[in-house]
Amino acid sequence: AQKVTQAQTEISVVEKEDVTLDCVYETRDTTYYLFWYKQPPSGELVFLIRRNSFDEQNEISGRYSWNFQKSTSSFNFTITASQVVDSAVYFCALSEAHPAGGTSYGKLTFGQGTILTVHP
Amino acid sequence: SAVISQKPSRDICQRGTSLTIQCQVDSQVTMMFWYRQQPGQSLTLIATANQGSEATYESGFVIDKFPISRPNLTFSTLTVSNMSPEDSSIYLCSVPGQGGDTQYFGPGTRLTVL
Repeated sequence: AQKVTQAQTEISVVEKEDVTLDCVYETRDTTYYLFWYKQPPSGELVFLIRRNSFDEQNEISGRYSWNFQKSTSSFNFTITASQVVDSAVYFCALSEAHPAGGTSYGKLTFGQGTILTVHP
Repeated sequence: SAVISQKPSRDICQRGTSLTIQCQVDSQVTMMFWYRQQPGQSLTLIATANQGSEATYESGFVIDKFPISRPNLTFSTLTVSNMSPEDSSIYLCSVPGQGGDTQYFGPGTRLTVL
């Protein structure tokens, strides 16, 4: 069975601080996909990143960066120079490969989420 | 990318009644998923809706409580039957990206059961 653990329930930082959100996963699949989503107070889910299990290259997108380490089954997310608008719930998720192969994804298993509050 | 709409966006219902939630996608997709997010909790998959076959339910969810229809490749409905306050949640539908880039989510239906 798949499992995603976000050990940090809540994080509170002051604006401009860097913050790292941890994500640890468990799966028996050899091919899988990892995601990060942001859920602001309005409730919609905003896609941030998807990472394939066979691509361990770290990624940077503006103030966001992701560190994928297969050896420790971790997919951590760092926000540099945090801003008040970053305040939200952040979810890490794991998807099995599509049963028939190809590029579509299967169902997502979500972590419990980390509530990030950035104070001015 | 896929654009997903859901109706209603929110509703307040009485105990014992049923509510049907609609999910419309702007492109044809084989698989659609229904998730539930209880207050302050994470998202939990309810079922996978496949066109032309019965929905596949996850452990803890049954068809009598959450019947699903999938009449075509762009539309699905989820009914929450015989509601109780414990059913108060956000219900979201999602579809995989055709190009393998992501999983798209609808805006959600916020349900409150009194």
